[in-house]
Amino acid sequence: GQQLNQSPQSMFIQEGEDVSMNCTSSSIFNTWLWYKQDPGEGPVLLIALYKAGELTSNGRLTAQFGTTRKDSFLNISASIPSDVGIYFCAGLPSHNAGNMLTFGGGTRLMVKP
Amino acid sequence: ETGVTQSPTHLIKTRGQQVTLRCSSQSGHNTVSWYQQALGQGPQFIFQYYREEENGRGNFPPRFSGLQFPNYSSELNVNALELDDSALYLCASSQGLARIEEQYFGPGTRLTVT
Repeated sequence: GQQLNQSPQSMFIQEGEDVSMNCTSSSIFNTWLWYKQDPGEGPVLLIALYKAGELTSNGRLTAQFGTTRKDSFLNISASIPSDVGIYFCAGLPSHNAGNMLTFGGGTRLMVKP
Repeated sequence: ETGVTQSPTHLIKTRGQQVTLRCSSQSGHNTVSWYQQALGQGPQFIFQYYREEENGRGNFPPRFSGLQFPNYSSELNVNALELDDSALYLCASSQGLARIEEQYFGPGTRLTVT
């Protein structure tokens, strides 16, 4: 089946640093989404991208829909301790008839205070 | 909080048993999707219900089944439990099939199979 490869799997960063993570697929997706999951909770949507090349921001977060439609990137600027958590990319393939998401394996973000 | 609730929060079952997990969708939402999230992995789509009918299914065996009720709440049933079924089970609700940005996840049910 379709798979999304997310990297890095985990990262330690210093508070105040910028963070970058990405997600790649062997097939085309029409929609890319980025979620954050905190312990004991379900994923929460951060950013949704609908168009190849689209660049969208949500506060300190910026995400891009790759021009090939097979990748997406998430950047977090000036990280703070509450950014700790697991970030997931997710996609909707072109033939999808509903909100049936394919998720990546996640990037675990750990911030040194 | 998203308004999507799941019960129970945690559950321990023995291999071979059957389990039923429940999801109450957010008010006004008629679509429920179920996902399995194994430890250290991303969620995997199990199936989706739209207006009480199954609308799509992921790569899961028939012993995973579901229901959606007239009030749009939903159940996930798993028969003949296997150790690999141990996971966090998430449901997500939305209004219709189109607006993915308005799909909200519940906190999940943690199932442990021993």
